[in-house]
Amino acid sequence: GQQVMQIPQYQHVQEGEDFTTYCNSSTTLSNIQWYKQRPGGHPVFLIQLVKSGEVKKQKRLTFQFGEAKKNSSLHITATQTTDVGTYFCAGGDYGQNFVFGPGTRLSVLP
Amino acid sequence: EAEVAQSPRYKITEKSQAVAFWCDPISGHATLYWYRQILGQGPELLVQFQDESVVDDSQLPKDRFSAERLKGVDSTLKIQPAELGDSAMYLCASSLAWVSSGIYNEQFFGPGTRLTVL
Repeated sequence: GQQVMQIPQYQHVQEGEDFTTYCNSSTTLSNIQWYKQRPGGHPVFLIQLVKSGEVKKQKRLTFQFGEAKKNSSLHITATQTTDVGTYFCAGGDYGQNFVFGPGTRLSVLP
Repeated sequence: EAEVAQSPRYKITEKSQAVAFWCDPISGHATLYWYRQILGQGPELLVQFQDESVVDDSQLPKDRFSAERLKGVDSTLKIQPAELGDSAMYLCASSLAWVSSGIYNEQFFGPGTRLTVL
């Protein structure tokens, strides 16, 4: 079945450093979503990417969908302590399965 | 802002007991999901409803888990009997529709029910 992997599993950064997490799917995706889960909280939707090669920005966050629609990345510029949490990608393969990745846990040291 | 409601927020039970979780999705959302999230892992889909019909329950351990959404609004997830390995966060999510033109819709998650089985 469809598998979604994320690397790294954990990332510790100093406040102000950049952070990137990568998401890879075993199958071509119709779209990919990114969610953030704060410690003790629930996943909250961040963004959705649909088109091949699509790039979207939200303030310091940049999301990219690969040309082959099998991978994606989330880049945070100049991390802040409010960025702490686990970032999940989730993707679907054209109406058959929608799967969450295992997440990347980000720690930001002040 | 509309939110997904879940209760209880926390549940402690002994193994072999029965437990039930309730979810009230955002009004107008036709699709409802139940996920299990083990600490340090991503949400794992247990069951998905479209209105009152089950769309996907392939990952639901049907010997002990059951789910219903009788009127296509709120939903109940039951475990009987609970086992030690069932300790996890149970998340409910809803979306306007499952897919639109092959594109999966944004999901809104509730606060979850943290289950501890002793």
